[in-house]
Amino acid sequence: AQSVTQLGSHVSVSEGALVLLRCNYSSSVPPYLFWYVQYPNQGLQLLLKYTSAATLVKGINGFEAEFKKSETSFHLTKPSAHMSDAAEYFCAVSEGQAGTALIFGKGTTLSVSS
Amino acid sequence: DGGITQSPKYLFRKEGQNVTLSCEQNLNHDAMYWYRQDPGQGLRLIYYSQIVNDFQKGDIAEGYSVSREKKESFPLTVTSAQKNPTAFYLCASSASGGDNQPQHFGDGTRLSIL
Repeated sequence: AQSVTQLGSHVSVSEGALVLLRCNYSSSVPPYLFWYVQYPNQGLQLLLKYTSAATLVKGINGFEAEFKKSETSFHLTKPSAHMSDAAEYFCAVSEGQAGTALIFGKGTTLSVSS
Repeated sequence: DGGITQSPKYLFRKEGQNVTLSCEQNLNHDAMYWYRQDPGQGLRLIYYSQIVNDFQKGDIAEGYSVSREKKESFPLTVTSAQKNPTAFYLCASSASGGDNQPQHFGDGTRLSIL
């Protein structure tokens, strides 16, 4: 079965600092991977997705993620944090069949201080 | 604009009462999903449906029921058998045709016990 592990339930950075949110997955087949962001009391918004076209994926709001098969990782980064980036971030993997549900990590809360 | 509408935003349940959460989408998506979110646990799948008049149990289906009579609608009933229903409930949908299709989320319903 596929699974997702997000290392660190809470990450704190200063405004302007590098953001690094870690995600490792397990899968017996080539996975499809996603990062979502959630602001308080709202639904999830797609940041970016990996679908095997390119290992470095660029998303919205300046975020990007790199797929590393050898490390089974899909870490999310942003060069310079902004106060508006404070939110909860979820990594998710597809089970591999059309129309089936995603498997989510437990989430990482990002705090940004001025 | 196309999207997913969940209602109500807040819902209160009395002991022994069934309550129904509404989810409507106008994205013309075939697949729809219900997730439960608890603090620190990420999103857990309750039910999903890949096509009208068909649905499958997810990881935590006990105490919940769904129907899919129309493509646009996927209501979730929280029955009195669900002993710990207090949570944030998220509905999502995705297009068919491949497991790289991202899921689109509604803004959620927060259910509490009176």
